[in-house]
Amino acid sequence: DTGVSQNPRHKITKRGQNVTFRCDPISEHNRLYWYRQTLGQGPEFLTYFQNEAQLEKSRLLSDRFSAERPKGSFSTLEIQRTEQGDSAMYLCASSHGSSNQPQHFGDGTRLSIL
Amino acid sequence: AQSVAQPEDQVNVAEGNPLTVKCTYSVSGNPYLFWYVQYPNRGLQFLLKYITGDNLVKGSYGFEAEFNKSQTSFHLKKPSALVSDSALYFCAVRDQAGTALIFGKGTTLSVSS
Repeated sequence: DTGVSQNPRHKITKRGQNVTFRCDPISEHNRLYWYRQTLGQGPEFLTYFQNEAQLEKSRLLSDRFSAERPKGSFSTLEIQRTEQGDSAMYLCASSHGSSNQPQHFGDGTRLSIL
Repeated sequence: AQSVAQPEDQVNVAEGNPLTVKCTYSVSGNPYLFWYVQYPNRGLQFLLKYITGDNLVKGSYGFEAEFNKSQTSFHLKKPSALVSDSALYFCAVRDQAGTALIFGKGTTLSVSS
């Protein structure tokens, strides 16, 4: 169990640019989640995959955001035309099996928009 | 709608004293409840969960939590605090049909030596 891995750890970009983050879940976990955390707040749910299928999306996930999990393994989260309000920590989590299993989080990607 | 409240932004305790971090929740149906801890610039680490059964749940690092259905609470406790317990603690809830965790705003625990 090597844990959930996220890359990059930090991303600084100019407003209007596109960014992509990667998440590698724990290998045997079939469920993968993306959350966003802003300063002083708890994580907020963005989207959820079971294997390669994206089964749930939050209303926070605007049309500038897209997530994929092409082979049911790693996942990417892309933000197009970044805005100042996108500055946050983006957290990925994975879990195994049924919904009563805990989600295990990566260390996140901190996005800063200049 | 599901929600979690952590009424204290910060809890201060002396090393060796017992600690309590409070959490109340609102969910339709039976709740799945979780506690996580976050250290600076790190992700969340799972501490413990309540799904069903015994109301007192034991978790990692000597932490435990008590589920109280009538008060809709799930307070985190530890009999003897350590300086290394100083961190940000999050309570989260999910209903049986849901997938997303709903988090509270977090409580900063500061343990002084």
